[in-house]
Amino acid sequence: GENVEQHPSTLSVQEGDSAVIKCTYSDSASNYFPWYKQELGKRPQLIIDIRSNVGEKKDQRIAVTLNKTAKHFSLHITETQPEDSAVYFCAASIQAAGNKLTFGGGTRVLVKP
Amino acid sequence: ETGVTQSPTHLIKTRGQQVTLRCSSQSGHNTVSWYQQALGQGPQFIFQYYREEENGRGNFPPRFSGLQFPNYSSELNVNALELDDSALYLCASSLSGYDSPLHFGSGTRLTVT
Repeated sequence: GENVEQHPSTLSVQEGDSAVIKCTYSDSASNYFPWYKQELGKRPQLIIDIRSNVGEKKDQRIAVTLNKTAKHFSLHITETQPEDSAVYFCAASIQAAGNKLTFGGGTRVLVKP
Repeated sequence: ETGVTQSPTHLIKTRGQQVTLRCSSQSGHNTVSWYQQALGQGPQFIFQYYREEENGRGNFPPRFSGLQFPNYSSELNVNALELDDSALYLCASSLSGYDSPLHFGSGTRLTVT
């Protein structure tokens, strides 16, 4: 089955700096890649997603890039703010299997003021 | 628009007991997925229900079972509880498309002693 690995497991950045989280996936048939943000004690919330027919997608300070050949995708957060502190999860799914997501292990991001 | 609600929020059970967790899906959604999130890890797919039928299952034993009702709400049942079943159980509702975003509830924190 699909395996998603996520790095780093923790990331500390200074407010205003950029943060980058990387994920690799094993199944080349995967074609949908969402990112979820989970604040302490709260539910995971979708922040951005990308489909395999697109190489990059941006939404304000957040962007995601996808390299299908290398089977990896990344989340980029620019101009980080304290409210960006949370655990971020990448995930992947295969169209034939519907929206059953395989998640990475998570990255705890701490933005220091 | 009503979001995904789960009950109860916390639960303490003894090894060997049985538990039922409940989920009300977001209005307009016809698909419910259940995930198990152990402390410090990413959510793991348990199973998904679409139109009252199981529509895919992850690597969980048969003592994990579920139901979906005509109003698209759902239950997760776990029999013969084990200590390793202690986790946050997340319910997510969505439409049925492979790239339909999952909308998570706040979860049920299950502790097995």
